[in-house]
Amino acid sequence: MQLLQSGAEVKRPGSSVKVSCKASGDTISNHAFSWVRQAPGQGLEWMGGIIPMQGIADYAQKFQGRVTNTADESTGTVYMELSSLKPEDTAVYYCARVAPTAVITPRGAYDIWGQGTLVTVSS
Amino acid sequence: EIVMTQSPATLSVSPGERATLSCRASQSVRRNLAWYQQKPGQAPRLLIFGASTRASGIPGRFSGSGSGTEFTLTISSLQSEDFAVYYCHQYDNWPPWTFGQGTKVEVK
Repeated sequence: MQLLQSGAEVKRPGSSVKVSCKASGDTISNHAFSWVRQAPGQGLEWMGGIIPMQGIADYAQKFQGRVTNTADESTGTVYMELSSLKPEDTAVYYCARVAPTAVITPRGAYDIWGQGTLVTVSS
Repeated sequence: EIVMTQSPATLSVSPGERATLSCRASQSVRRNLAWYQQKPGQAPRLLIFGASTRASGIPGRFSGSGSGTEFTLTISSLQSEDFAVYYCHQYDNWPPWTFGQGTKVEVK
């Protein structure tokens, strides 16, 4: 499987951004995915995840109410939408696949990553 | 929320030497611990999962150990391509899954 993310975005404070992550080489229905972001010069931060086959999404409390994870199994694409953007949301956003196990679960290491999408929030 | 603390923040090592990186969890994560390598401008790459299992294609010079709250990543003989930032990641207790702040391995 490979994950190809959408291109860089520049957004105004208060607006929303929707980042896509298209899988190739395998169906997204067989896997769970997470979204992880990295602010400039900073570490990795888990935002939330989704299990496309079950339609179940979960989120870090920090982002509750501002982030929405969705998936389109017909196109093999997972999405992350972040609203009410602030300058501190400027970061590279990564989608990542949870390493496969016997059951589809959000618990696991991330064995495949997208290339990242830079989102810049600036007035 | 489980806090992951990595040490040291920066490790200066000469090529060919051993590097030992530590990761401590604020509460037990059993063996649900992964290590990633990240180079500038690149996505993280999975090195170790389950505390000690090497991911596919990872050279044998990388090894992981530990359980509970104390974990170690060892690079037995540093190669030029190993100079990077390394992150630990717990996937035992959710939400949220959490990462350490990273250890930068630089050339001495």
